[in-house]
Amino acid sequence: DIQMTQSPSSLSTSVGDRVTITCRASQTISTYLNWYQQKSGKAPKLLIYAASNLQSGVPSRFSGSGSGTDFTLTISSLQPEDFATYYCQQSYSTPRTFGQGTKVEIK
Amino acid sequence: EVQLLESGGDLVQPGGALRLSCVASGFTFSNYAMNWVRQAPGKGLEWVSGVSGIGGSPYYADSVKGRFTISRDNSKNTLFLQMNSLRAEDTAEYYCAKSKGAIVGTFDAFDIWGQGTMVTVSS
Repeated sequence: DIQMTQSPSSLSTSVGDRVTITCRASQTISTYLNWYQQKSGKAPKLLIYAASNLQSGVPSRFSGSGSGTDFTLTISSLQPEDFATYYCQQSYSTPRTFGQGTKVEIK
Repeated sequence: EVQLLESGGDLVQPGGALRLSCVASGFTFSNYAMNWVRQAPGKGLEWVSGVSGIGGSPYYADSVKGRFTISRDNSKNTLFLQMNSLRAEDTAEYYCAKSKGAIVGTFDAFDIWGQGTMVTVSS
């Protein structure tokens, strides 16, 4: 199975800050990498697919980059509604695997 | 409106069985692969199983292989998960999730999620 490792596991930050979350795969996965946002008590929401493609309806402050084994999710200017947990997920092979999550909290 | 609605979650004893359902609306169900993803209380996301839109083999996580069976009825826009030989570690919120593509392949992001149904395995 492909292991997905996110860093950091949590971060405290402020509205307006630039936030970067990284995700590393245990083997190369090309650009078959997706990012999700999950707010407390809610279902996950797709933000970015195929490493850098913005899902319809997602604000442009979210962006993704990377290929091979190293990927990044960037929030250019954090908004109050962005405080949540973020997960990466590989779709290169089955079983699909997720990172452990990065919780973005208010400083 | 595109929507997924799960049902069937319950409290069940270890070794018991449960069948989850997910009714889809607002899109052509048979055109898309579908998945089950679970989340244990306070934990991260775990993909459980996926099945392509029309025919094709189902896929399972090792943790449920041989115990869980995914199926779909395209005439009723419904996805199922039959769960047998349940264990305490199967306790989780179970989400139904639609794939962006038709098959369980490399282009496989989950773009629509249901609200979840809770399964608790305990004596």
